[in-house]
Amino acid sequence: QVQLQQWGPGLLKPSETLSLTCAVSGGSFSGYYWNWIRQPPGKRLEWIGEVSQSGSVKYNPSLKSRLNISLDMSKNQFSLSLRSMTAADTAMYYCARSTIVLNLEYSFDYWGQGTLVTVSS
Amino acid sequence: SSELTQDPAVSVALGQTARITCQGPSLRSYYASWYQQKPGQAPVLVTFGKYGRPSGIPDRFSGSTSGTTASLTITGTQAEDEADYYCGSLDSSSDRLGVFGGGTKLTVL
Repeated sequence: QVQLQQWGPGLLKPSETLSLTCAVSGGSFSGYYWNWIRQPPGKRLEWIGEVSQSGSVKYNPSLKSRLNISLDMSKNQFSLSLRSMTAADTAMYYCARSTIVLNLEYSFDYWGQGTLVTVSS
Repeated sequence: SSELTQDPAVSVALGQTARITCQGPSLRSYYASWYQQKPGQAPVLVTFGKYGRPSGIPDRFSGSTSGTTASLTITGTQAEDEADYYCGSLDSSSDRLGVFGGGTKLTVL
């Protein structure tokens, strides 16, 4: 059974950098995409970005200038780095695996448990 | 702003059929996936693709698409189905970025 276990700090000050890591167990990196998704309190899910097995990345344009997502296959982990955090970045952050089949079916089939990140001075 | 639009709230009587919709231009090219989220929990995939349903998801959950509208149908809705439901897909840009709808709060009466 695939499991995603994530960790990182829960409290940051404005202007600091958020670093989160997600460890993958029970499955292969091959053929999948590895995503970060966030959800501000009481609000909708927001896709942050993804990294593929080859290291190719795609980012949400609204976060692209502050964002880096990377993959460490030797450790079965992928990571998020989001710079210059503000109160608007306060949210639950999730890691998730996505798959696309026949270029038609796209879904996030496994999710991490979530990390609540609060940005406050 | 999100390219997928959902009604904020839907209510259904216990045992009846609930239908939650999601509209967006990219749904002409990609199927929607649907996620159930209960308070304090991570989202759970309930349907994907044309007919897909992950193992462990009851068969009362089904997805469908017509044109630019995707639907999640819950047949014989149970009290435990009360939750927020989000649709997800790829956007209609050439970059094919992930996108979610705004979510629908399902209330079981």
